Amino acid sequence: GENVGLHLPTLSVQEGDNSIINCAYSNSASDYFIWYKQESGKGPQFIIDIRSNMDKRQGQRVTVLLNKTVKHLSLQIAATQPGDSAVYFCAENYNQGGKLIFGQGTELSVKP
Amino acid sequence: ETGVTQSPTHLIKTRGQQVTLRCSSQSGHNTVSWYQQALGQGPQFIFQYYREEENGRGNFPPRFSGLQFPNYSSELNVNALELDDSALYLCASRLEKALNTEAFFGQGTRLTVV
Repeated sequence: GENVGLHLPTLSVQEGDNSIINCAYSNSASDYFIWYKQESGKGPQFIIDIRSNMDKRQGQRVTVLLNKTVKHLSLQIAATQPGDSAVYFCAENYNQGGKLIFGQGTELSVKP
Repeated sequence: ETGVTQSPTHLIKTRGQQVTLRCSSQSGHNTVSWYQQALGQGPQFIFQYYREEENGRGNFPPRFSGLQFPNYSSELNVNALELDDSALYLCASRLEKALNTEAFFGQGTRLTVV
């Protein structure tokens, strides 16, 4: 069935290192993907998105890579900071109707 | 701040009661979606409203219902509350329903059913 899943439920990195969070999706018809950051007690915060006609998109300190062949999405955070500590979700836009399918999430912990 | 506001922020209800949660969408956004997020899980799509009509629904029973008003604000109603309805309820708004556009979330309403 449709599913967006994450390979690693927790990730601990040293401040200043780069972080990579991975996501697998199963719906080959999905054409839009979003990464969200969720801090404790808050709603998901948009980080970056990518459409299926692209394989890479860069933002400020973040890069999203999309590999449609293996249905894999990743979020790279450069020079990770303590403020990056949060749960990160990938989400796919299903059937172009606005329904977002979220994965379980990866908790990123940044050690000073 | 996304401009999406939800009320109340926290709520405690008794099993069997009814609850109404409210959401004001970001200015200019005509599409509102509701999600349920259980502890330790990703958000699950409940339904979406576009120009005051339901436009897509997830795997939730009919006791979950909603409304969207002419100003695009929205309500989520849950009847006959069950203990498993305890969760964070999130509202998200976007500019257009069918386009691949960003969905901005509110801070959520934490519902506890006892």
